[in-house]
Amino acid sequence: GENVGLHLPTLSVQEGDNSIINCAYSNSASDYFIWYKQESGKGPQFIIDIRSNMDKRQGQRVTVLLNKTVKHLSLQIAATQPGDSAVYFCAENPLRGKLIFGQGTTLQVKP
Amino acid sequence: EPEVTQTPSHQVTQMGQEVILRCVPISNHLYFYWYRQILGQKVEFLVSFYNNEISEKSEIFDDQFSVERPDGSNFTLKIRSTKLEDSAMYFCASREQNSNQPQHFGDGTRLSIL
Repeated sequence: GENVGLHLPTLSVQEGDNSIINCAYSNSASDYFIWYKQESGKGPQFIIDIRSNMDKRQGQRVTVLLNKTVKHLSLQIAATQPGDSAVYFCAENPLRGKLIFGQGTTLQVKP
Repeated sequence: EPEVTQTPSHQVTQMGQEVILRCVPISNHLYFYWYRQILGQKVEFLVSFYNNEISEKSEIFDDQFSVERPDGSNFTLKIRSTKLEDSAMYFCASREQNSNQPQHFGDGTRLSIL
């Protein structure tokens, strides 16, 4: 499953499928980006980050892609599991100061 | 794994009262932050703190807000005279010296103003 931009705040996928969550950022000067996962009643939990000198970075079951030309970031989750159900936020971190969060996408995993 | 801890988990306060939200950042971290999240909305930056002083603050962080690091472990956010619109989740975050490391968040304090 995949969402496009910030106009589809909920992504529903079948367990075992791959998920793609998209994010557009605003500041051309941003050179560091982070994906956070937020479960109900919890704070944002770090998933993966990427610096602007990279186009792709892989973690365990997650991959982040960065397209600086169109200021677009995506998070790919392989073999989505019920425990992946949460709200996912991208954040840009210009000048390594405050984080600027996107609106968030709710990922629902259907068993 | 080290984590940011916040207390209390839920604070209920009458409008006009003062509240203090407490945070214990990760022990070797030097940069500290407060963010808030109104129900159903995105996380918003309030203030950053480094070397015992505020390094950046948002428009939300007006004269009613203050931060303090009273000792070597705690980092507090005080709201002097709370308003109904201060009701939100308040998250503390910290980061280590290396600027290529992410900020790590606590689980927040839910502030409810009556």
